[in-house]
Amino acid sequence: KAGVTQTPRYLIKTRGQQVTLSCSPISGHRSVSWYQQTPGQGLQFLFEYFSETQRNKGNFPGRFSGRQFSNSRSEMNVSTLELGDSALYLCASGTGANSYNEQFFGPGTRLTVL
Amino acid sequence: AQSVTQLDSQVPVFEEAPVELRCNYSSSVSVYLFWYVQYPNQGLQLLLKYLSGSTLVKGINGFEAEFNKSQTSFHLRKPSVHISDTAEYFCAVSGRGAQKLVFGQGTRLTINP
Repeated sequence: KAGVTQTPRYLIKTRGQQVTLSCSPISGHRSVSWYQQTPGQGLQFLFEYFSETQRNKGNFPGRFSGRQFSNSRSEMNVSTLELGDSALYLCASGTGANSYNEQFFGPGTRLTVL
Repeated sequence: AQSVTQLDSQVPVFEEAPVELRCNYSSSVSVYLFWYVQYPNQGLQLLLKYLSGSTLVKGINGFEAEFNKSQTSFHLRKPSVHISDTAEYFCAVSGRGAQKLVFGQGTRLTINP
C-alpha cells in the first residue's frame, strides 16, 4: 500500500498571502488529521476530518481551515499568512474507527513565510 | 484535557549503551499512550503503543516502554542503542475513542560512537 502523500513538500510564501496544502491518505482510510510542528510550540493538533466532516478542531485562529473530499483527500488552507505560520505541517491518516486505530503520518510540507 | 511532559529535551549516549527517555502524562480520563520517532526531514513513525493489558509493551527497533498508572509515566527504553537510533522521539496521548494526539515537546537522542 502506498503511504500518506503530502504536496508540495516545500513552499515559500510572503506575509499576507494564502496557501493550500494537500494530503492524500492511505487507500481505504477515511480519517485525516493535520498537525503543525514548530521549534517553539512543538506538535499541535489543527483539525481532523472524517467522511468529509470536521470531527475535531484544535485551538488555532480562523485563518486555518480545511476540508475533505469524497475520496478522503484533504486540503488545509491558511489565509493572510504571518511569519509565525512558518512550520512543518504534518498530515496523518487512519481508518477513523471509534476504537483505537493507528495513525500514519506523511512526510510533511515545510512552509516558510517571508 | 490531556498533557504530556517529556522530562529531557536532549539525551546524549554512547553507542551500545542503554537509554531511557522519560515521559509523564496528565489526564482526567483513560488514555492511550504512544511513542513516535522522527528522523531528519521525515514524518513521524510509530514505535509502540499502550492500549490496555500488559503494562510492558514492545515496539519496533528493539524499543520497549512501561506504563505506570500510579506515576502517570510511560518511559521508553532500549538496552543497547545504535548510531541509527539518532532521532527525535515524541511521547503522545489520546483520549479513548479520539483521533487527536497530544504530544510532548520531544527528546533529541544523540548517539556518540
